Amino acid sequence: DTEVTQTPKHLVMGMTNKKSLKCEQHMGHRAMYWYKQKAKKPPELMFVYSYEKLSINESVPSRFSPECPNSSLLNLHLHALQPEDSALYLCASSRLRQGHDEKLFFGSGTQLSVL
Amino acid sequence: KQEVTQIPAALSVPEGENLVLNCSFTDSAIYNLQWFRQDPGKGLTSLLLIQSSQREQTSGRLNASLDKSSGRSTLYIAASQPGDSATYLCAVNSSGNTGKLIFGQGTTLQVKP
Repeated sequence: DTEVTQTPKHLVMGMTNKKSLKCEQHMGHRAMYWYKQKAKKPPELMFVYSYEKLSINESVPSRFSPECPNSSLLNLHLHALQPEDSALYLCASSRLRQGHDEKLFFGSGTQLSVL
Repeated sequence: KQEVTQIPAALSVPEGENLVLNCSFTDSAIYNLQWFRQDPGKGLTSLLLIQSSQREQTSGRLNASLDKSSGRSTLYIAASQPGDSATYLCAVNSSGNTGKLIFGQGTTLQVKP
């Protein structure tokens, strides 16, 4: 199994809603990531988890709250988002957080629209 | 601050043609460089990873080269097929943190039958 699975694939939410994005991998990877990608732009790193602990927060607004309940799962909790937060949210994983030959495995993403 | 540039932004070729995609980066102190493929509205698929000590990597019809001193990488696609149509992204790891990649803007490739 070399997949990173993200749910839901599409999400529409209002600015007052609370929702969560989910990501799962069963490759035994110990590093997991959230990326944000706006249309026709490259992905930008949001958060890095290593061994279930948050190791990097790229100055992301608090309306995005990540959670790593175990080594296979990564969540992104959303609250009071703004329309400009509409984007493709990508989850990724790697065997370890550091290494010259470590590859990233990406999920298919959640396309989020904030109304 | 590391900056990654990809040229051209878009490319259209007839099926069967060999082609080269270019990537340049401003800071040569990198750990590795990766090439990804992205289909519209989808996630990224890792194609090739070149460590800083390596000069090239090959996978099937794909060959990626790295010249760290000049800050350049190329992705060579042999005998292109319509199924190769996608956006190709180059990403540099300058920090040693695997997921902290700096991406280029991508090259959107269309291979016409």
